[in-house]
Amino acid sequence: DVKVTQSSRYLVKRTGEKVFLECVQDMDHENMFWYRQDPGLGLRLIYFSYDVKMKEKGDIPEGYSVSREKKERFSLILESASTNQTSMYLCASSRTGLGTRGEQYFGPGTRLTVT
Amino acid sequence: SQKIEQNSEALNIQEGKTATLTCNYTNYSPAYLQWYRQDPGRGPVFLLLIRENEKEKRKERLKVTFDTTLKQSLFHITASQPADSATYLCALPARNNAGNMLTFGGGTRLMVKP
Repeated sequence: DVKVTQSSRYLVKRTGEKVFLECVQDMDHENMFWYRQDPGLGLRLIYFSYDVKMKEKGDIPEGYSVSREKKERFSLILESASTNQTSMYLCASSRTGLGTRGEQYFGPGTRLTVT
Repeated sequence: SQKIEQNSEALNIQEGKTATLTCNYTNYSPAYLQWYRQDPGRGPVFLLLIRENEKEKRKERLKVTFDTTLKQSLFHITASQPADSATYLCALPARNNAGNMLTFGGGTRLMVKP
């Protein structure tokens, strides 16, 4: 089974702090994603990476950056956390190529609270 | 970009009945559509994919239809059980030929009462 793990289930940070959220997948997937999920707004894509060191902005990249130095690991960085970044953050991975269904495998999520 | 509409109101049904959830989309026609299940406090889990040339797909008690003319997918759970209670999300490719990015609907919460 594909396993996607996230570094923390719950995180509390102060406004202005730099925050790192880590995601690791163990199935050699090419693609990795960071989403945030808020009530009434659904899942929104922050960033997407299709290869090591490659990234694309999603729908809401402002205030975030990402890093993918190794294939299995994708980090989300909040340079200066703000209260409006309080949310559930979900990491996902998927495979590229013929015969794949494009389904995404999600981690358990990190609930981040910025005070 | 793609816009997806799912009924934001919870669907309450009695155990044993068939639950039907709706996913409507606008803009371009996607090559496929996916359905996910999400339990509270957890990440979504992939259930089914249906391609544009498929009218219907089944998996155990699940059935998905895809009407590209109506721009709609229906997700059915037959003989529903309390364990089916969850939020169900539909997802489509974010942009035409955009590879692997998906746009998700807001989800519909299903409550199956014993």
